[in-house]
Amino acid sequence: DTGVSQDPRHKITKRGQNVTFRCDPISEHNRLYWYRQTLGQGPEFLTYFQNEAQLEKSRLLSDRFSAERPKGSFSTLEIQRTEQGDSAMYLCASSFQTGGGEGGYTFGSGTRLTVV
Amino acid sequence: GENVEQHPSTLSVQEGDSAVIKCTYSDSASNYFPWYKQELGKRPQLIIDIRSNVGEKKDQRIAVTLNKTAKHFSLHITETQPEDSAVYFCAAIKGAQKLVFGQGTRLTINP
Repeated sequence: DTGVSQDPRHKITKRGQNVTFRCDPISEHNRLYWYRQTLGQGPEFLTYFQNEAQLEKSRLLSDRFSAERPKGSFSTLEIQRTEQGDSAMYLCASSFQTGGGEGGYTFGSGTRLTVV
Repeated sequence: GENVEQHPSTLSVQEGDSAVIKCTYSDSASNYFPWYKQELGKRPQLIIDIRSNVGEKKDQRIAVTLNKTAKHFSLHITETQPEDSAVYFCAAIKGAQKLVFGQGTRLTINP
């Protein structure tokens, strides 16, 4: 286990199509996060899981976005009916969090989505 | 919720000089402050972090300082080298919640 893996690295899709991304976190980590990053901006929070439970979802996230982590291991992020504004880098990160403790995130290499 | 502001957005320094990037945060309960370096086309990588019970932390040429009263923290890079050129992000987190990132600083080291 060498880190956080994301697949695919790049995705080009036509507007209106659905896309799904996958993230495999570090196996010992109980938390998994999805962020979105556009050019020149910092990562923007989308959602996160602790084990299989989705604990928070950004209010900026429309109903077209859904994320799952069915067995508390890998996660998928689906975007339905893609729009050009969805074009961005989608970053996954994982960490090991205790009840009240902070911890460093390890990021994956991201999936770059281009909607044409 | 937490809000993190980062300045400057771009910074250009001569090789060998020092670079300083500053961030402010809004939630006084935030207790962990990491800094990430992101090279073009690559993932953000943690370079240094500081917890709220510490005022300063140093790791070779990089250091981070935290002023809890003023709710700001800074990244200091000394003796800058060309490979320090990248985008740097600060972030803050409260307890076991999510990281909130600043907008980033594009650092360019001029030879």
